[in-house]
Amino acid sequence: DQQVKQNSPSLSVQEGRISILNCDYTNSMFDYFLWYKKYPAEGPTFLISISSIKDKNEDGRFTVFLNKSAKHLSLHIVPSQPGDSAVYFCAASVGTGGFKTIFGAGTRLFVKA
Amino acid sequence: NAGVMQNPRHLVRRRGQEARLRCSPMKGHSHVYWYRQLPEEGLKFMVYLQKENIIDESGMPKERFSAEFPKEGPSILRIQQVVRGDSAAYFCASSPWEGSSYEQYFGPGTRLTVT
Repeated sequence: DQQVKQNSPSLSVQEGRISILNCDYTNSMFDYFLWYKKYPAEGPTFLISISSIKDKNEDGRFTVFLNKSAKHLSLHIVPSQPGDSAVYFCAASVGTGGFKTIFGAGTRLFVKA
Repeated sequence: NAGVMQNPRHLVRRRGQEARLRCSPMKGHSHVYWYRQLPEEGLKFMVYLQKENIIDESGMPKERFSAEFPKEGPSILRIQQVVRGDSAAYFCASSPWEGSSYEQYFGPGTRLTVT
């Protein structure tokens, strides 16, 4: 029962272009969404989050969009850089205090120089 | 200012042996979370501990798995009588308080291989 789904296992993008990573969720109780980035041999690190009261949150080159009616969120990276190559996990929780964060399976992003 | 530390980074065990995974949280953090990542899957919550207390272990299998976070020393995730299905990456995270999910800082993980 995957409550958070990342249907693209991998994505390849040219340096300087936009990377769009997608995530779908099924549980309408989720009201806080996060993206984590993970390099090989390291643990995930928090990247950006969004509350369900918003539909967009921006932090530098990273923007997360939330479409509640479609239960869909996406992470946009503009412009993409080779250092962005990593695995990106979408995650969701009920409330910001939710330690039972549900993670997607991840999308591996390759940014080609 | 060390981050979350986990050891060993790689652990190989034969079926039936015990695996002990250690996690030292960031300095000043008294909340520890364990997650398991099976191949091709996301991280799955296992257990949440504060010093000397298990707060929630709803994600941990009822048998063979146990966790502790003593007053002194690291948090330990113990798996008894390991089976091949236990092969996974185990991540520990810590936070200063039971707060926002993004306040969790992850360690590099322990990759357990059961042969």
